[in-house]
Amino acid sequence: GEDVEQSLFLSVREGDSSVINCTYTDSSSTYLYWYKQEPGAGLQLLTYIFSNMDMKQDQRLTVLLNKKDKHLSLRIADTQTGDSAIYFCAETDDSGNTPLVFGKGTRLSVIA
Amino acid sequence: DAGVTQSPTHLIKTRGQQVTLRCSPKSGHDTVSWYQQALGQGPQFIFQYYEEEERQRGNFPDRFSGHQFPNYSSELNVNALLLGDSALYLCASSPGLREQYFGPGTRLTVT
Repeated sequence: GEDVEQSLFLSVREGDSSVINCTYTDSSSTYLYWYKQEPGAGLQLLTYIFSNMDMKQDQRLTVLLNKKDKHLSLRIADTQTGDSAIYFCAETDDSGNTPLVFGKGTRLSVIA
Repeated sequence: DAGVTQSPTHLIKTRGQQVTLRCSPKSGHDTVSWYQQALGQGPQFIFQYYEEEERQRGNFPDRFSGHQFPNYSSELNVNALLLGDSALYLCASSPGLREQYFGPGTRLTVT
């Protein structure tokens, strides 16, 4: 079955860049997502990338996709204390037959 | 435009009881999915509703059931509650399967 792996923790200093990594196993993954979850809250959709793209940039966020290695990363430029949260990688295919499969999340701590 | 809303916010139940959680989707979204998020874990898919029918189901027992109404809102019912059902229950709505937008969740505690 599908599997999504993420490192559990990341700590960065305010103003530095953060890079959160994710690997997935399903070769039919077509859409790959990044969600942010703040304490006690639901999931906020940050961005997503279609598998025929290598990179997507949205303000401070850059998503890189290496389809050959099934590796996805989220780079946050100029990381702020408000970026402290858990970040989830998720994937689904384009068949319309599979729901989102999530990783366990990476807890990002930003040190002022 | 209101996003996805869920009620109640928190709920405490006793083992063996039954619970109903509610979800109103984002305007224009016809598909509702439910996820269970245990502490320290990523969300796990329970089931999805489209056109008032269950379209997909994850690996959850029959104690978990749901319903979608003509206005696309949805309910999640859990019977014979177990301690292990304690979790954050998340509802997501979407126009189809992509771009799922999540509500704030219902925190269920079973004692």
